[in-house]
Amino acid sequence: EPEVTQTPSHQVTQMGQEVILRCVPISNHLYFYWYRQILGQKVEFLVSFYNNEISEKSEIFDDQFSVERPDGSNFTLKIRSTKLEDSAMYFCASSVVPGAVDTQYFGPGTRLTVL
Amino acid sequence: AQSVAQPEDQVNVAEGNPLTVKCTYSVSGNPYLFWYVQYPNRGLQFLLKYITGDNLVKGSYGFEAEFNKSQTSFHLKKPSALVSDSALYFCAVRVDSNYQLIWGAGTKLIIKP
Repeated sequence: EPEVTQTPSHQVTQMGQEVILRCVPISNHLYFYWYRQILGQKVEFLVSFYNNEISEKSEIFDDQFSVERPDGSNFTLKIRSTKLEDSAMYFCASSVVPGAVDTQYFGPGTRLTVL
Repeated sequence: AQSVAQPEDQVNVAEGNPLTVKCTYSVSGNPYLFWYVQYPNRGLQFLLKYITGDNLVKGSYGFEAEFNKSQTSFHLKKPSALVSDSALYFCAVRVDSNYQLIWGAGTKLIIKP
């Protein structure tokens, strides 16, 4: 069964450094998402992406964040200058089509630790 | 504001007994409701969803959920719990105009042998 994959599984970085989290969505999916889950807190939406454009983003997704689909398979989340409060589990998801009815399928997550 | 509530941080059930994990929601617009499960060190796995039609939906691993519009609830149920069902369960909702999922805080389900 096709799966969303994410690398690395755990990333440790120093405050102020740039990090890139990578995701490979399911191959026939066209919509891509990033969520994060700070330890002990709710899962929070960051951004959705379609046709090389951001289609929706939350207040969390400020200028420090960017997303890119650099080739036909990868979908990346870049944090330009990490802060301590960026420490969280970051989940990538994909879906076939947009709209509320479609199911989003999630990757295993990348645990980001900012020191 | 749109929100999802899972009133129980933890639910303890003996193996073989029925289980219920509660979820209520507050949205403007038509809700589309989802349950996901998270096993230790794993991602969020889709269990089931309610879009329209029959209020009782069936999903993976023998789970089902009942949509109740008047009570704005979408409780997850299983007739006979297994120890392997022990995990963290998340309820989530979407509305027509949005792509994003809005999540509950999660309920830890512990099934004891």
